[in-house]
Amino acid sequence: LAKTTQPISMDSYEGQEVNITCSHNNIATNDYITWYQQFPSQGPRFIIQGYKTKVTNEVASLFIPADRKSSTLSLPRVSLSDTAVYYCLSGDGGNNRKLIWGLGTSLAVNP
Amino acid sequence: DTEVTQTPKHLVMGMTNKKSLKCEQHMGHRAMYWYKQKAKKPPELMFVYSYEKLSINESVPSRFSPECPNSSLLNLHLHALQPEDSALYLCASSQDRGVYGYTFGSGTRLTVV
Repeated sequence: LAKTTQPISMDSYEGQEVNITCSHNNIATNDYITWYQQFPSQGPRFIIQGYKTKVTNEVASLFIPADRKSSTLSLPRVSLSDTAVYYCLSGDGGNNRKLIWGLGTSLAVNP
Repeated sequence: DTEVTQTPKHLVMGMTNKKSLKCEQHMGHRAMYWYKQKAKKPPELMFVYSYEKLSINESVPSRFSPECPNSSLLNLHLHALQPEDSALYLCASSQDRGVYGYTFGSGTRLTVV
């Protein structure tokens, strides 16, 4: 099964750009990389998904190099409200099409 | 409507009780999911329904019984739970299985006493 590894925690300050890197050495050819954000006592919220190169939406950017063994979620100009847990996910590469969740990165944005 | 609604938000039940968790979505999604989440852990998949049929059961104990009455509703029936089953239970939906942009509900915080 594909497995993702990401830092347990990160600290930042308001207005800074935050980059969270996830490694997925065994990613399968047909797997996408997906990122979710979760606040305490709420369900995860979909942020962004990509297969390769760069994807950008109104919230974040996702960079995936050619070998696809890692990905970087970039949050531009974070605010206090971006304090949350960020999960990196990949598919399981099989017919079940299940998501494999990383352990999450707890991001603390300080004033 | 772009939400997944879960009820109740909080539930306290005894080990001999029977209760149900409910989940509803009106986005026309054909895949629905139950997840269990313990504190400081990622969500763990329990069940997947695709087009109202159970397609994945992640070896969940029989004291948890899922039901999908129609394409908009998903229930999780609980019976004879253990204290270690206390957790946040999350429902999610997606357009189809393999479409990974899931929409999650806010969850039901379950406490078994």
